[in-house]
This record gives sequence, structure tokens and C-alpha cells, in this order.
Amino acid sequence: QQQVKQSPQSLIVQKGGISIINCAYENTAFDYFPWYQQFPGKGPALLIAIRPDVSEKKEGRFTISFNKSAKQFSLHIMDSQPGDSATYFCAALETGTASKLTFGTGTRLQVTL
Amino acid sequence: DSGVTQTPKHLITATGQRVTLRCSPRSGDLSVYWYQQSLDQGLQFLIQYYNGEERAKGNILERFSAQQFPDLHSELNLSSLELGDSALYFCASSVAGVYNEQFFGPGTRLTVL
Repeated sequence: QQQVKQSPQSLIVQKGGISIINCAYENTAFDYFPWYQQFPGKGPALLIAIRPDVSEKKEGRFTISFNKSAKQFSLHIMDSQPGDSATYFCAALETGTASKLTFGTGTRLQVTL
Repeated sequence: DSGVTQTPKHLITATGQRVTLRCSPRSGDLSVYWYQQSLDQGLQFLIQYYNGEERAKGNILERFSAQQFPDLHSELNLSSLELGDSALYFCASSVAGVYNEQFFGPGTRLTVL
């Protein structure tokens, strides 16, 4: 059962544009939502994360928007750059004794010149 | 560089064989997680250890096992390998906390021929 649904599967954005990736979850016990960035041949790298007690978190060009009632969250990349071209994964975690991440299926972002 | 190290980087073996993947967590991190990344299944949680004890199990096959040693490094043992076990295997680590930020290693690419 896919507990975290991610869209789109792929995304092409022009340099300077805004990249938007969306995720939806089902398990209301999830209480921590990180985004990971993965370059080919590398491990996922933690990009930014949010807790459900806030609706938005911004770090540089990266912003997470969180809608608890809709059980949705999204990643916005402002002023997208070619170096942002990577695969992005949303994830969710139910904290406690077993902190296993449930990942979305990933979005391959390509930023063109 | 996340501070998590994994060896080997690549592993090529034959069906029916057994392999061991090794992970050293970041200094100070007590939890180790193993994930499998494949094209058809995405990133899947396998197992978590905390300070030497198994904490959670995910979609881990009975042919697979893991352990965490007193120095906190971990090993993932894969036996009776099948073609479908070919994948990237990632180790992640975190400090035990309320929101366990997980930092991923560079992965081991396993190819079963």
C-alpha cells in the first residue's frame, strides 16, 4: 500500500522558474515530513523537513508548504538552477520507537537553460 | 558528505551466493537504518537498529539479516541471492531524538548475475 503519493513523476523547468512537487499521505500518525534530494550515483541527502505544527518552512530557495487537513505537503524550489537537476523524494515518518521513513516514488527534476 | 560510510561501493555476485554489506554511522549516531532502492519498488525500509538492538522491521526478506555491533557499525547480510535482489542498498543513521533526521550513506550497488 502506497502511503505517500508523489507527483509529478518528472518535471522540466526553465532556469529561474519555480519547481513544485506535491505529496499526499494517508497515515494521520505521520508527524515528520522530510524532503530528500538524490543525484545519480549518490545517496539521498536531507534537504528540508517540516513538522505538522507549522504550515510553511523556508530554507533559502526551498520551501515546504504543509496542509494538515488535506494531508498534503509540497516542495517549492524558487529560482530553479541547472544544479538543482536531481530526483526529489518526499517522505513521512511516525516518530516513536520505530522511526522508519516511508518514501514517495520520486520526482525527476530537470532544469533547462 | 553525510558522514555515513558504506562498503563496498559495488558488488557483483552470482545467484545463490551470500554477501555482506557494511555501514559505519555518523559519529555519535546510535540508530542505523537499511533501505533498498530498486527501479520497481523505489526506496523501501528494511530494518532499523538502535544501540545494538533491532528496533523495527520493514519489507525485509527472510533471506536477509542484519546486526549492529558494539562499535555501532552495522552489517546487512543477504543470502541465497536472486536476480531480483539487484538494487542499491543504503544505510542511514540518526541520533536518537524526537524527530530523527536520517542521514544516508553513498550506498552499495549490488548486481546479481
